[in-house]
Amino acid sequence: AQTVTQSQPEMSVQEAETVTLSCTYDTSESDYYLFWYKQPPSRQMILVIRQEAYKQQNATENRFSVNFQKAAKSFSLKISDSQLGDAAMYFCALTGRRALTFGSGTRLQVQP
Amino acid sequence: NAGVMQNPRHLVRRRGQEARLRCSPMKGHSHVYWYRQLPEEGLKFMVYLQKENIIDESGMPKERFSAEFPKEGPSILRIQQVVRGDSAAYFCASSPSPPREAFFGQGTRLTVV
Repeated sequence: AQTVTQSQPEMSVQEAETVTLSCTYDTSESDYYLFWYKQPPSRQMILVIRQEAYKQQNATENRFSVNFQKAAKSFSLKISDSQLGDAAMYFCALTGRRALTFGSGTRLQVQP
Repeated sequence: NAGVMQNPRHLVRRRGQEARLRCSPMKGHSHVYWYRQLPEEGLKFMVYLQKENIIDESGMPKERFSAEFPKEGPSILRIQQVVRGDSAAYFCASSPSPPREAFFGQGTRLTVV
């Protein structure tokens, strides 16, 4: 079975500041991928960043980066220089041979 | 390359009617997933299909719900005899092969009145 846990229902950050969203997971598979998806008010699911489990180097996409701790089964998302457009629900997700399993989400508010 | 297309975007059904939700995956993608999202909640996995095969339907209610992904045409999620509790957003996603990121459609918002 796969499980994904996001323990922060809501987070808030000032514009231009940095925020970290937490995620832990569990899986019995050795080959898996981890993702962060963003869901703005439009409800469209947007892929933010992906991490292959076999890669030790943390993924980075512009202002978004992850801290992937494989032994601890932790996969946090760091958003630098936060912008108003970053306000959304953020979902951590895991896939192996099964379909994507999602966490319960973290609502990020960005204060001007 | 068009993205994942879902239609209709909004669907209103009376209790007891049937709802049919369609999903056309991205070109070259042979794996389709259906998720359900209630307001203020995460996405709950329903079913995972490949062409003409159901790979995993562990998230699908045993009654009234069915899904297919035929050799030709879109994937269909069918809900028979809808009830108010079926009101939700239903998202379809596709991927070229697992394990890979899934690309999502814009969802179908089903309202049962």
